[in-house]
Amino acid sequence: ELKVEQNPLFLSMQEGKNYTIYCNYSTTSDRLYWYRQDPGKSLESLFVLLSNGAVKQEGRLMASLDTKARLSTLHITAAVHDLSATYFCAVDGSGSRLTFGEGTQLTVNP
Amino acid sequence: GAGVSQTPSNKVTEKGKYVELRCDPISGHTALYWYRQSLGQGPEFLIYFQGTGAADDSGLPNDRFFAVRPEGSVSTLKIQRTERGDSAVYLCASSPLGGGSYNEQFFGPGTRLTVL
Repeated sequence: ELKVEQNPLFLSMQEGKNYTIYCNYSTTSDRLYWYRQDPGKSLESLFVLLSNGAVKQEGRLMASLDTKARLSTLHITAAVHDLSATYFCAVDGSGSRLTFGEGTQLTVNP
Repeated sequence: GAGVSQTPSNKVTEKGKYVELRCDPISGHTALYWYRQSLGQGPEFLIYFQGTGAADDSGLPNDRFFAVRPEGSVSTLKIQRTERGDSAVYLCASSPLGGGSYNEQFFGPGTRLTVL
């Protein structure tokens, strides 16, 4: 059974600081997705990572995938308040269903 | 274009009642998925349709849950004899292909189900 673990689960950081969210998964996969969820809202797709070594960047967020280590990272550079949200990684282990991590609740403080 | 839509946005029901939740996927998307998200958790897979057929229903928790997609577009998730533990946000997603292909899933706004 595919398991996906994120850490940290809660992250409080100051504006302007950098931090990394980690996503580990238990079985082989080369398809990993990052989503953002604002309170009471649905999931917004951020990044699609489809191969080992894939790196994607959008604004202050950068995601990478290491399929050998079964690890993805979401790096936040110079955080701003607008990035406050819950971030989920999701692994496509079977070609259909996504298995999600528990989510990282990020709060960026002024 | 229009995204995935779900109705109702909120549903409050009493224990033991029957409910139906509807999902309209993005036009042309052949794959449709239902997930359930409990408070403070990530979404959990329920069922996946490829066209009209349920390709994987292994996430349905028990036989009170059933879903259909009769014409390969709109899908309805049906829950019989609801229990308080069924309270959650039910998310629908669609993707262009599914089934082993590049599978970015686009999520709807969800239906928040509350069972009293």
